[in-house]
Amino acid sequence: NAGVTQTPKFQVLKTGQSMTLQCAQDMNHNSMYWYRQDPGMGLRLIYYSASEGTTDKGEVPNGYNVSRLNKREFSLRLESAAPSQTSVYFCASRDRGPYGYTFGSGTRLTVV
Amino acid sequence: QKEVEQNSGPLSVPEGAIASLNCTYSDRGSQSFFWYRQYSGKSPELIMSIYSNGDKEDGRFTAQLNKASQYVSLLIRDSQPSDSATYLCAVRKDTNAGKSTFGDGTTLTVKP
Repeated sequence: NAGVTQTPKFQVLKTGQSMTLQCAQDMNHNSMYWYRQDPGMGLRLIYYSASEGTTDKGEVPNGYNVSRLNKREFSLRLESAAPSQTSVYFCASRDRGPYGYTFGSGTRLTVV
Repeated sequence: QKEVEQNSGPLSVPEGAIASLNCTYSDRGSQSFFWYRQYSGKSPELIMSIYSNGDKEDGRFTAQLNKASQYVSLLIRDSQPSDSATYLCAVRKDTNAGKSTFGDGTTLTVKP
């Protein structure tokens, strides 16, 4: 099915471990985004990539890094996980123009 | 002050009633406005976009925008139990980056 695919769907990490969240879209969208959502809160932007080859920090980038591997793929890396990074992570993409986002199904991450 | 503020909720309406969801934003440079619906445990789904002052209707949904008052609303007519979800308001300046800022969401329950 066309859309945004995120892997893994669930992950439990120990404090200090590292991991990479993967995101791929097959809609030929230029822009891709990583958000986190905490209970009772809206979405907060971690990093984004306006186009292939560019990445920029969002509102809450500390503790994360990203790679725009190609037009389809945008990964988020936690180098040394902390309990404060326990959250649901959503990847999103959008086409050029005044369009909204298409979201992936999310990754539920718990850091213990 | 948050950039995007929504009714604190939760909001409960009987089946068949009109549900009214409100959102205010602080950045007068915002140009695109979106409503997303998020079912519990799922990812957000775009349901309405609006870019100019006035009303925009799509089936049972009507989005209203008043840029002078920095106010966006979503009306759901003939509310159904399947409309029970959290509704997220998002605003965006239409730069190339196209990143959106989200409110915390309003949870709507439609009672049969």
